[in-house]
Amino acid sequence: EAAVTQSPRSKVAVTGGKVTLSCHQTNNHDYMYWYRQDTGHGLRLIHYSYVADSTEKGDIPDGYKASRPSQENFSLILELASLSQTAVYFCASRDRGQDTQYFGPGTRLLVL
Amino acid sequence: AQSVTQPDARVTVSEGASLQLRCKYSSSVTPYLFWYVQYPRQGLQLLLKYYSGDPVVQGVNGFEAEFSKSNSSFHLRKASVHWSDSAVYFCAVSRRNNNNAPRFGAGTKLTVKP
Repeated sequence: EAAVTQSPRSKVAVTGGKVTLSCHQTNNHDYMYWYRQDTGHGLRLIHYSYVADSTEKGDIPDGYKASRPSQENFSLILELASLSQTAVYFCASRDRGQDTQYFGPGTRLLVL
Repeated sequence: AQSVTQPDARVTVSEGASLQLRCKYSSSVTPYLFWYVQYPRQGLQLLLKYYSGDPVVQGVNGFEAEFSKSNSSFHLRKASVHWSDSAVYFCAVSRRNNNNAPRFGAGTKLTVKP
């Protein structure tokens, strides 16, 4: 069973502060993704990566940075958190040559 | 770019009734198509996927979906729902390119009444 973990599971941040969301997978998958979930918008792609030390912009990258220091780890960084970034963030991984994504449990971020 | 539309934000059905959740996709070429389910406070889990061939694909827990190229649709069906099917269902589309990232619809929240 593929395993994707996220930390923290929930976080309260202040506007203008820095937030780092972490994702770790033990699947040995090449691809990793960050999505945010908002009511009425479903999941929207922020950043993704298909190899360590390289990231790609998704559909809504503004205000977010991503880092893939190793195959197992993929972080999402909010340098200056804003109210509009309050959401649930999901990380997912996928094996090269396969199409099924495996999702983590999500991180609930509240920016005040 | 590919995209997905799920026109029904909420669907309520009675236990034992049949179900259809709608999904329309937009893609310049035949894409890969997926249905995922999200139970409360959990991540998404794959229900089924379509690559090619038979347009009706079977998934877990009695779910199936039918691909229609002419209608650009990939509707999810179940003959008889159970209260435990209450969840949010997402349709997703991906181009046939290994580096392509799947895009998701807004989701349909299904409530099954006892």
